[in-house]
Amino acid sequence: AQSVTQLGSHVSVSEGALVLLRCNYSSSVPPYLFWYVQYPNQGLQLLLKYTSAATLVKGINGFEAEFKKSETSFHLTKPSAHMSDAAEYFCAVTPNTGFQKLVFGTGTRLLVSP
Amino acid sequence: GAVVSQHPSWVICKSGTSVKIECRSLDFQATTMFWYRQFPKQSLMLMATSNEGSKATYEQGVEKDKFLINHASLTLSTLTVTSAHPEDSSFYICSAPPLSSYNEQFFGPGTRLTVL
Repeated sequence: AQSVTQLGSHVSVSEGALVLLRCNYSSSVPPYLFWYVQYPNQGLQLLLKYTSAATLVKGINGFEAEFKKSETSFHLTKPSAHMSDAAEYFCAVTPNTGFQKLVFGTGTRLLVSP
Repeated sequence: GAVVSQHPSWVICKSGTSVKIECRSLDFQATTMFWYRQFPKQSLMLMATSNEGSKATYEQGVEKDKFLINHASLTLSTLTVTSAHPEDSSFYICSAPPLSSYNEQFFGPGTRLTVL
């Protein structure tokens, strides 16, 4: 079975500061991992994904995440926050044994102050 | 990139009526589509897996007779909320993985349902 834990329902940063959103996973088989962003009243947009290739994954809008098997983590980072980054972020996992349903974390709301 | 649309984007209905929500993959085919429900400030909860040409697979606790799913073609799945009640008010989101890519899903923009 797979599960995802996102630490911190809210993260507040100042514009220009480092963004760090935490995600830890549990999986009985090697996982695929995803980060999605959701703006108010919209669907989910894929930021980046890990599919057992490079452990450091670069995504859109300057975000990146590093898969650390020893820590069962897939934290999302961005060196410099922008006001437009304010949104809800979801980490998700699925087993890599063929396509199966995604399991989402509870989400982290990123707040960016001027 | 692949595009998934949903219609309507929002709907208000009276209690006891039925509401149909469409999910379309616009530029790719999908034998499987997923329906999620999202309550305010909460995560997405998978309701059911829609399978083209066969019955949907429902998650535990989801009423099959209340949430009717039809996947009539490789580009269209519909979710019908029957005899809607105020507690069915929610944000419903669909997603679809392209046939060519099993490790990614594309999400629709969501449908906001309000039952009065």
